[in-house]
Amino acid sequence: ETGVTQTPRHLVMGMTNKKSLKCEQHLGHNAMYWYKQSAKKPLELMFVYSLEERVENNSVPSRFSPECPNSSHLFLHLHTLQPEDSALYLCASSQDGGYSGNTIYFGEGSWLTVV
Amino acid sequence: RKEVEQDPGPFNVPEGATVAFNCTYSNSASQSFFWYRQDCRKEPKLLMSVYSSGNEDGRFTAQLNRASQYISLLIRDSKLSDSATYLCVVNGGNNRLAFGKGNQVVVIP
Repeated sequence: ETGVTQTPRHLVMGMTNKKSLKCEQHLGHNAMYWYKQSAKKPLELMFVYSLEERVENNSVPSRFSPECPNSSHLFLHLHTLQPEDSALYLCASSQDGGYSGNTIYFGEGSWLTVV
Repeated sequence: RKEVEQDPGPFNVPEGATVAFNCTYSNSASQSFFWYRQDCRKEPKLLMSVYSSGNEDGRFTAQLNRASQYISLLIRDSKLSDSATYLCVVNGGNNRLAFGKGNQVVVIP
């Protein structure tokens, strides 16, 4: 059983749709992350939130919009995506204020297909 | 040079055999090193941290070589359940964790 839960687990959306991915962590951590994992590529860090403030945005296109209403919840709002955005989107959390060194825990991921 | 480099494999290993693979990293100032395991279509999970003196957890041994900037993972007496992708993770230049592409291990009966 994971301490980080993501919904939905699978999502198929058209290029004109608007959808959101949701993540909740039950570990009492103060940092949350969105990662993207495409086939045959390493995990790509998209966004980092520390104490509910965005501390990093790795040049992610504006069609991806994160939201962190509190330290336990993180959303990724999706709008007018492209087929190349199809990937596994992983939410993660850690107790390090957004800096590395401590173990990072992942959710089970949301499989996104853009058609 | 990529922050973390791994040979993706696959590494086909007979059951009961030993397999080892390395991961090189580019940031000489890195202080934190981890091996994560990722099963097919699942999320990565921490396998073990890597300490300067090397560490062992059952059949798994991790080592760090700072001079040559690589970490290694050795799996002894491979089990079918060890089949997975092993991700090398290092804290990178901006102090964020950098992930390698992973070493895919396939244990063959």
